Amino acid sequence: DSGVTQTPKHLITATGQRVTLRCSPRSGDLSVYWYQQSLDQGLQFLIQYYNGEERAKGNILERFSAQQFPDLHSELNLSSLELGDSALYFCASSVALTGPGELFFGEGSRLTVL
Amino acid sequence: GENVEQHPSTLSVQEGDSAVIKCTYSDSASNYFPWYKQELGKGPQLIIDIRSNVGEKKDQRIAVTLNKTAKHFSLHITETQPEDSAVYFCAATWDYKLSFGAGTTVTVRA
Repeated sequence: DSGVTQTPKHLITATGQRVTLRCSPRSGDLSVYWYQQSLDQGLQFLIQYYNGEERAKGNILERFSAQQFPDLHSELNLSSLELGDSALYFCASSVALTGPGELFFGEGSRLTVL
Repeated sequence: GENVEQHPSTLSVQEGDSAVIKCTYSDSASNYFPWYKQELGKGPQLIIDIRSNVGEKKDQRIAVTLNKTAKHFSLHITETQPEDSAVYFCAATWDYKLSFGAGTTVTVRA
């Protein structure tokens, strides 16, 4: 158990809809990362937050947004969903803001867009 | 940005044999190279990492080597066991934005 909690574990929705994925980081971790894992692809970095502020952006679509709340949990909002958005979305947390270090991953939220 | 290539995409080994996974990276500024293992239905978990000031690191049956000149690094698993079956990801970074390889599915045959 990594200590990172993601909900929901599975989500099935239709094209055009909007969903929210939730992540609770490990106790004490201030950084939260979101990654997308599509079939046969590696982990694509979406966005990072540190203590409530956005710190880095990766290949995140404009239809996607995220935020980190004062209690440090984070939410990833996916809107105007398309079939290609079907993927496993991982949240990870770490202690540090900068500098390489271990990321602790949740078990992921599997999104299926029909 | 950093581009990490990983080979092979799949690897089948006999139990007890060794497994080697290789990665190359593009950004010469990268200085941290972790390896993550993802078991079925779970999130990736760090198994070993190496920093650019070290050429090799070992932890029991797993070892990682780094060649900064050639910009490649490798994961070596010796005496493979069934529990080593998983997807392995290499990654590289010089800051906090890890770039992952596409993954290697390792199957250990009994």
